[in-house]
Amino acid sequence: DAKTTQPPSMDCAEGRAANLPCNHSTISGNEYVYWYRQIHSQGPQYIIHGLKNNETNEMASLIITEDRKSSTLILPHATLRDTAVYYCIVREGTTDSWGKLQFGAGTQVVVTP
Amino acid sequence: DAGVIQSPRHEVTEMGQEVTLRCKPISGHDYLFWYRQTMMRGLELLIYFNNNVPIDDSGMPEDRFSAKMPNASFSTLKIQPSEPRDSAVYFCASSMLPGLAGGPVFSAYNEQFFGPGTRLTVL
Repeated sequence: DAKTTQPPSMDCAEGRAANLPCNHSTISGNEYVYWYRQIHSQGPQYIIHGLKNNETNEMASLIITEDRKSSTLILPHATLRDTAVYYCIVREGTTDSWGKLQFGAGTQVVVTP
Repeated sequence: DAGVIQSPRHEVTEMGQEVTLRCKPISGHDYLFWYRQTMMRGLELLIYFNNNVPIDDSGMPEDRFSAKMPNASFSTLKIQPSEPRDSAVYFCASSMLPGLAGGPVFSAYNEQFFGPGTRLTVL
């Protein structure tokens, strides 16, 4: 699976949008971009994933560049409960390797009042 | 649904003792995963099962670790003998069979649901 690069930390004001970047310049055509987050002392939680089109769900939006070498997770209105470590993961979409999620260091996001 | 259930939530044991961690996946899920998280190494996949069969155990650190899934609703991770360097939070996760690659985003078919973890301390 391709390697991802994320900033180690970022701050965000409550109520503002949080834009979390992820670089995956070696991504291949059949690899998906996944985002998970981990609130302190809890298990990771799935947020969203995509292949090449932008995606939106009730939690966040995922913007993938046209060349797919980078992506941005957008939390539209950050709340204090969004303080967590956010992981960007690239993984193949085939059933042979589907199960393996490789978590990196992630980005520690702190939402401040 | 109660989500993924793990027990115990906390375990303190002495070096050399056998430790058994337990996991009950979400009903109907086909896949079960065991992860370990430490400050030094982050979150690592140890092993995962599909329909109770181990698919990939390449992350299991050594022979002291073993995992079983005797049925669709129960799995164990055993460490024998335990060592202080095994101290970590162990997570179990489960998921359903994924949707077709390139198809619509069905989060229920692609995401892994994690349990609350077991914090293991080996003295």
